[in-house]
Amino acid sequence: DGGITQSPKYLFRKEGQNVTLSCEQNLNHDAMYWYRQDPGQGLRLIYYSQIVNDFQKGDIAEGYSVSREKKESFPLTVTSAQKNPTAFYLCASRQGVTGNTIYFGEGSWLTVV
Amino acid sequence: AQSVTQLGSHVSVSEGALVLLRCNYSSSVPPYLFWYVQYPNQGLQLLLKYTSAATLVKGINGFEAEFKKSETSFHLTKPSAHMSDAAEYFCAVSRGQGGSEKLVFGKGTKLTVNP
Repeated sequence: DGGITQSPKYLFRKEGQNVTLSCEQNLNHDAMYWYRQDPGQGLRLIYYSQIVNDFQKGDIAEGYSVSREKKESFPLTVTSAQKNPTAFYLCASRQGVTGNTIYFGEGSWLTVV
Repeated sequence: AQSVTQLGSHVSVSEGALVLLRCNYSSSVPPYLFWYVQYPNQGLQLLLKYTSAATLVKGINGFEAEFKKSETSFHLTKPSAHMSDAAEYFCAVSRGQGGSEKLVFGKGTKLTVNP
């Protein structure tokens, strides 16, 4: 089945450690996104990528990094510089035509312990 | 800059009652507007979207929304609530064009359906 796969679903990190969240899509979509969700805050854009080997910062990029080496993959690294990383992270993708639907993965929970 | 405001972070209705979730947008250009639903610990699922083809948009699970330019609103309704409608609902407006298009989300409305 076509879709967006995020892994792992649950991840625990010690303070000071980097962690990478995986996002893979087989929808042949050009654009991919990472959003962060906190209770009562809605979704906030971290990074997005329109094409391979190119990506742009969103509204809350500090403390995060991404890569886009393959069209189907857009991993997110949460670095130790992110001061409050505990959150629900959502990966999404869409075909690059204005007004097209953005589709979401099932999300990954990151908890700092 | 495009933005959305969802009025009411929590809405509670009885089973069988009308569901009305409010969304107002701010956009300097004709907007694309979306409603998504999220069940606990899951991703977001598209309910419906407005792309200027028709002001009344019908979506999945019996939901619909009406685009009102004069009121800058895109409220979500369902005539009769079902227990399975209990979830969090997000309104979103698009920002940018083509490949650089992004969604800007409201803060969400959590819907509770009472038996």
